Amino acid sequence: DQQVKQNSPSLSVQEGRISILNCDYTNSMFDYFLWYKKYPAEGPTFLISISSIKDKNEDGRFTVFLNKSAKHLSLHIVPSQPGDSAVYFCATGGTSYGKLTFGQGTILTVHP
Amino acid sequence: NAGVMQNPRHLVRRRGQEARLRCSPMKGHSHVYWYRQLPEEGLKFMVYLQKENIIDESGMPKERFSAEFPKEGPSILRIQQVVRGDSAAYFCASSPQDSRNTEAFFGQGTRLTVV
Repeated sequence: DQQVKQNSPSLSVQEGRISILNCDYTNSMFDYFLWYKKYPAEGPTFLISISSIKDKNEDGRFTVFLNKSAKHLSLHIVPSQPGDSAVYFCATGGTSYGKLTFGQGTILTVHP
Repeated sequence: NAGVMQNPRHLVRRRGQEARLRCSPMKGHSHVYWYRQLPEEGLKFMVYLQKENIIDESGMPKERFSAEFPKEGPSILRIQQVVRGDSAAYFCASSPQDSRNTEAFFGQGTRLTVV
């Protein structure tokens, strides 16, 4: 029962272009959504979040979009940089305390 | 301002041995979460603890796994009689409050290998 799905295992992008990472969820009770970035052999690092009362949140090069009717969120990185190469996890919360449900992750590779 | 500290970073155990994983939350954080990441998968919630209390252990396997967060000292995730399928990365996260909408801060993880 995969409540949060990232259907693209990997994404390859040229430096300077836009990276778009997608995430779908099934539980309409989720009302808080987060993106984490993870380098090999390290723990996930929080990137950006959005609550269900918004449809967009922006922080520098990172923008998260939420489409509640489609139960879909996306992370846009523009311009992409080689240092952005990592695994990106979307996560959902809000049903109770700080428990998060994670997607499987998308490996982003940004080529110089 | 130290982040979430986990030790050891790497742990090798033979089948049947016990594994103890430690987590010290960020200063001022009283809520601890343990997650497990199996190869090629996302992080799966295991247990949520506050000081001296287990709040939610719905993600913990029914047998061999236990967790505690004593009044003093780090949180401990204990796996008894380890099997090869327990090999995974175990991450601890902490948050400052019992809030539904807050990010959790993760440690660097403990990579358990069962041989």
